[in-house]
Amino acid sequence: AQSVAQPEDQVNVAEGNPLTVKCTYSVSGNPYLFWYVQYPNRGLQFLLKYITGDNLVKGSYGFEAEFNKSQTSFHLKKPSALVSDSALYFCAVRERDMGRRALTFGSGTRLQVQP
Amino acid sequence: EAGVTQFPSHSVIEKGQTVTLRCDPISGHDNLYWYRRVMGKEIKFLLHFVKESKQDESGMPNNRFLAERTGGTYSTLKVQPAELEDSGVYFCASSQEFGFQETQYFGPGTRLLVL
Repeated sequence: AQSVAQPEDQVNVAEGNPLTVKCTYSVSGNPYLFWYVQYPNRGLQFLLKYITGDNLVKGSYGFEAEFNKSQTSFHLKKPSALVSDSALYFCAVRERDMGRRALTFGSGTRLQVQP
Repeated sequence: EAGVTQFPSHSVIEKGQTVTLRCDPISGHDNLYWYRRVMGKEIKFLLHFVKESKQDESGMPNNRFLAERTGGTYSTLKVQPAELEDSGVYFCASSQEFGFQETQYFGPGTRLLVL
């Protein structure tokens, strides 16, 4: 069975500082990995995904994530946080087995960026 | 291009009543997914349609939940009778691609509260 862990319920960072939102996963074989963001009163928005190739993936709004196979991690990063980045972030994984395309999500991490 | 839309945005019902949620996917998207987030926990997969066919319904919790997608366009998710533990946010997602290119795009969700 596949699973995703987001060990921090909340991350606090000052505006302008770098941010990291952690994600580790467990899946058979090689995974597809995703990050989504949910702004207040909005739906989930796709940020970025890792499929194959370069371990550093760049996405929307200046976010990037690094796939680390040995540590089974896919941490979300941004060099300089904005107050507008404050939101709920979800990491998700999908098996490469084409028969099942459901995403497995972590429990979410709330990012609070202070001015 | 319009995104995934869901109706209603909120629903408050009493235990034992019936509620029907609707999802309109992005036009032309053959894949439609239902997920839900209960009690602030992780987002969990419910089922997956390809056009009007149920491809994977392994996440449906019990037979009180019935999903349909007549004509392969919009989908409905009916809960009958609703129980307290059904409270949560129900998300719909759609996608066009297949294989490793697939990205699921989510709607804003329906917040269901069962009293």
